[in-house]
Amino acid sequence: DGGITQSPKYLFRKEGQNVTLSCEQNLNHDAMYWYRQDPGQGLRLIYYSQIVNDFQKGDIAEGYSVSREKKESFPLTVTSAQKNPTAFYLCASSSISYNEQFFGPGTRLTVL
Amino acid sequence: ELKVEQNPLFLSMQEGKNYTIYCNYSTTSDRLYWYRQDPGKSLESLFVLLSNGAVKQEGRLMASLDTKARLSTLHITAAVHDLSATYFCAVLTNTDKLIFGTGTRLQVFP
Repeated sequence: DGGITQSPKYLFRKEGQNVTLSCEQNLNHDAMYWYRQDPGQGLRLIYYSQIVNDFQKGDIAEGYSVSREKKESFPLTVTSAQKNPTAFYLCASSSISYNEQFFGPGTRLTVL
Repeated sequence: ELKVEQNPLFLSMQEGKNYTIYCNYSTTSDRLYWYRQDPGKSLESLFVLLSNGAVKQEGRLMASLDTKARLSTLHITAAVHDLSATYFCAVLTNTDKLIFGTGTRLQVFP
């Protein structure tokens, strides 16, 4: 069963903590993406990676970090430097040639 | 910088009626995508439009792309309650990033 999985579904963070959101895909896609969605808003790109061991900043990368050690995995760390991290985080992947992005189920992060 | 604007932002329509959602973008692109999002859920891909004049239909939804006018439309025919959701268009930049519109929240009532 091919798809994208994200975990956890809900995450609560205390101020000053770093947390890591997991994203895994078994679609054999080269490219992976992280987006942030605030209530009633569209999606904003945090980071993206088109190949293993390489990634680029998106529009709102400050306070976030990523790694791409395996093709299947693209974890996102929300650091304490991110001032307002409460949001819905969506991971996506796509093939390089076709670019249609498929989305995971999302992680809802709340800062306590 | 590529900007993508959708209108209307909110749409309340009666079942059985027709309506069109518009997606305008500011710079050249020949790939446009439409997604649907239900409340609290992820995005579901609806249409991929790859060239000027492309038209795709699925059920009561039809999407088209005019790259010269930098405009895509999502037409709803004979709306039903199950179509209630937020619809996003997204445009591919020349650096292979997707820029999303602000979304159109559609509510269909009896």
